Amino acid sequence: EVQLLESGGGLVQPGGSLRLSCAASGFTFSIYSMTWVRQAPEKGLQWVSSITDRGLNTYYADSVKGRFTIFRDNSKNTLYLQMNSLRAEDTAVYYCAKLEGASNIWGQGTLVAVSS
Amino acid sequence: QPVLTQASSASASLGSSVKLTCTLSSGHKSYIIAWHQQQSGKAPRYLMKVEGSGSYNKGSGVPDRFSGSGSGTDRYLIISNLQSEDEADYYCETWDSDNRVFGGGTKVTVL
Repeated sequence: EVQLLESGGGLVQPGGSLRLSCAASGFTFSIYSMTWVRQAPEKGLQWVSSITDRGLNTYYADSVKGRFTIFRDNSKNTLYLQMNSLRAEDTAVYYCAKLEGASNIWGQGTLVAVSS
Repeated sequence: QPVLTQASSASASLGSSVKLTCTLSSGHKSYIIAWHQQQSGKAPRYLMKVEGSGSYNKGSGVPDRFSGSGSGTDRYLIISNLQSEDEADYYCETWDSDNRVFGGGTKVTVL
C-alpha cells in the first residue's frame, strides 16, 4: 500500500525545536521530490518546503527560511523536517506529501503546537 | 511566482453538478495545476492534474463524476451527480522551479 506516515509532532515552547519524520512505503521514494505542507487551525494549506529526489536541492517558504531544514534519508525511505526557533504562528498540522509524478500522496499529518 | 485565486464557497443540490474555478495569475497561463480535496477533519486527498489545454489526469480511485478542464488562466474542477461525501474543501495547487503555491480553497456545501 502506498503510504506516508508522519511522526514527531507535539507541544513545544516558543524558541524551541522539533524534528518531524515521514516514513514512506509502497513506492520508489528515492526518485521523487518530497514536500512538507502545513495547515494552521481553521486555515488553508500552506507550502513549507520541498527537496529534490537525491536531496541536492532544497526550497523553503520565506516564513520558515533560516529556521527550518528539510532533509531525507533514501536508504530509510524517510523525509525529515528540522524546525528550530519555533514561533506561535508555526502552530499547525504538518503534512508530508509526494506532489510529483502521476499520482500524488498525502500523509495523515502531525500536529505541532507552539505555546508557553 | 504564480498566484492562484479561488472562490471561498460554492453550493449545489444533491445529485446536481458544481464547477469550481482556479484562476492563475497573468503570465502563468501555461501552468499545470493540481486539485486536492479535504473532507472535514481529514488529510487532503489528491484528485487530478489539469493542463492549460484542458486535459486532465486523475489519481487512483477518484470517482468518474470528478473531471477537469481548462481555458486560458482558468482551471476547473467539475463534480457531477454531487454526493454528500463531496462536501469538502477543494484546493488548487501549482508549482515552479523553486516553490509551490496553493489557492485559498473553496468550501463546497451539498444542499
